[in-house]
Amino acid sequence: GDSVTQMEGPVTLSEEAFLTINCTYTATGYPSLFWYVQYPGEGLQLLLKATKADDKGSNKGFEATYRKETTSFHLEKGSVQVSDSAVYFCARARDDKIIFGKGTRLHILP
Amino acid sequence: EAGVTQFPSHSVIEKGQTVTLRCDPISGHDNLYWYRRVMGKEIKFLLHFVKESKQDESGMPNNRFLAERTGGTYSTLKVQPAELEDSGVYFCASSPDWYQETQYFGPGTRLLVL
Repeated sequence: GDSVTQMEGPVTLSEEAFLTINCTYTATGYPSLFWYVQYPGEGLQLLLKATKADDKGSNKGFEATYRKETTSFHLEKGSVQVSDSAVYFCARARDDKIIFGKGTRLHILP
Repeated sequence: EAGVTQFPSHSVIEKGQTVTLRCDPISGHDNLYWYRRVMGKEIKFLLHFVKESKQDESGMPNNRFLAERTGGTYSTLKVQPAELEDSGVYFCASSPDWYQETQYFGPGTRLLVL
């Protein structure tokens, strides 16, 4: 069935390091793709989205490109900050539902 | 503009008791969704309202769960009687449209059943 697979965490990086969190999905057609983020003590927030192949979503220095050929939507940031410490969820739409990956916990050390 | 709000933020109950969770969507959003995340698992869809009607309740785990949205505004999710496996975080989301649309999530209600 439809699913989203993202790299297991936790991921620990030093401040200013380069970040990649891998995400792949299974789907028929071209679903909308999302990254959501949950900061400590807060709810889920939309970080970025892409709705069609080759679209690049971006926000707060994060980017992800919708890759149809590899069914991937990897999250990247060139220089992470301590404030980026959070749980990141890759997700795809299926009709009226959002299908989530398991989440990747990110720790950034000062 | 106020976001999606949920009440309570935390609830601790004993097995067999009843709990009611409340969600207030973003004003003007006809679509309201419930999701939950049990420990160590993915966030899973429970159901979808369009205004006051249940559009899709395919994710509801069993008949101990009852969701309502009277008047098409806020929604409640009642668990009766609660079981240990119901523990987790219950999220509510809303959106103006529903097909492959961005959903805006609330902070969640953390439910612990002892």
